[in-house]
Amino acid sequence: EAQLAESGGGLVQPGKSLRLSCAASGFTFSKFWMHWVRQAPGKGLLWVARISSDGKVATYPDSVKGRFTISRDNDKNTVHLQMNSLRAEDTAVYYCARETALTASYFMDVWGKGTTVTVSS
Amino acid sequence: DIQMTQSPSTLSASVGDRVTITCRASQSISVWLAWYQQKPGKAPRLLIYKASNLESGVPSRFSGSGSGTEFTLNISSLQPDDFATYYCQQYNSYLITFGGGTKVEIK
Repeated sequence: EAQLAESGGGLVQPGKSLRLSCAASGFTFSKFWMHWVRQAPGKGLLWVARISSDGKVATYPDSVKGRFTISRDNDKNTVHLQMNSLRAEDTAVYYCARETALTASYFMDVWGKGTTVTVSS
Repeated sequence: DIQMTQSPSTLSASVGDRVTITCRASQSISVWLAWYQQKPGKAPRLLIYKASNLESGVPSRFSGSGSGTEFTLNISSLQPDDFATYYCQQYNSYLITFGGGTKVEIK
């Protein structure tokens, strides 16, 4: 069974950095594109990053571009999200998600349980 | 970016009711739309992709339709396990966007 497990969340001061990790198991990690999606308290879902299966292509929405960096280690079946210059509005549950294997279809078929990031002084 | 608008934002219904949720895109997205279900404190769960394809393991009471800019998610006979929030997501563009969500509450 495919599974994803996020870690690294916590309380961080505004302007500081945090690195999230997501460990994958139960599937051939190196064959799948991966995503991070966040959800602020009481709000909807917001996509924040996507990375290709080989780690060479990464895309972001304008809201986090230049502050967030997604990366992966296919030897360790892990994807990371480096978050810099954090703001109060980055407070959210961050989900790691697997993109479907269907060609050119950017939806997510496996999700982790999420890790909570709180940005506050 | 493509904007996704869901309606209603909240829906009150009873067990056994037929429920319809609408999702509209700010521009044509062909059939590149997915639907997710999310329960409080849980991760989203994929229900439907490519507008009308049921994900494996999802009950057949769920169905999706539409193309272009207007899409619907239908639940033919609402069950107690279906009270949750539902999100649409477009993937016509690699700049993925979600709808604001529709909360299905017990009437």
